[in-house]
Amino acid sequence: KAGVTQTPRYLIKTRGQQVTLSCSPISGHRSVSWYQQTPGQGLQFLFEYFSETQRNKGNFPGRFSGRQFSNSRSEMNVSTLELGDSALYLCASSLGGPRDLAVKYRNEQFFGPGTRLTVL
Amino acid sequence: AQSVTQLGSHVSVSEGALVLLRCNYSSSVPPYLFWYVQYPNQGLQLLLKYTTGATLVKGINGFEAEFKKSETSFHLTKPSAHMSDAAEYFCAVSFAFSGGYQKVTFGTGTKLQVIP
Repeated sequence: KAGVTQTPRYLIKTRGQQVTLSCSPISGHRSVSWYQQTPGQGLQFLFEYFSETQRNKGNFPGRFSGRQFSNSRSEMNVSTLELGDSALYLCASSLGGPRDLAVKYRNEQFFGPGTRLTVL
Repeated sequence: AQSVTQLGSHVSVSEGALVLLRCNYSSSVPPYLFWYVQYPNQGLQLLLKYTTGATLVKGINGFEAEFKKSETSFHLTKPSAHMSDAAEYFCAVSFAFSGGYQKVTFGTGTKLQVIP
């Protein structure tokens, strides 16, 4: 089974621009979560999508948005980039649904390699 | 609310020595607990998990962790450190709301240095 893929792996943007990151979950996984990782703040939760609906959101400004498609692929968008948005953005997929096997498997997240975003 | 505390942002051990990475959690309901490892410029990889059943959990690469409810701990251990174990380790706690909705909270991470 192919793992979680994220594109692009590296990205350089300038302040004020916008960026879209993509995540393809493991086949059969319907939940996709996004995290921002920085040396200063660590791993911070952005949002989670399940069956095309955002069902959980972290404490990030509205410049950060996402969506999920019917095939469970997800995109994350950051508008009006700031220097502080430079980070490793990680995507994680999981089964996530109430009818997905046993509860003990629902919460196990599988991470992609991340997209390294640098804002100049 | 759930939370995770990892004691020690940096831990150094000698090659061949015991590895002990500490994790304490807070959860209002029975938790699911995870340890992840991250190598430089890579995503997180699951080392092991506790959901229900046996409290001593064995994972990949010789790591294991023990769920101690009375101490609200889930410390990660490995009897003998290898150079390849040098990485950052994250403890995470999660539980499922009704309907399968999940909330995962990660600790701040512990960087493990292995000294030859």
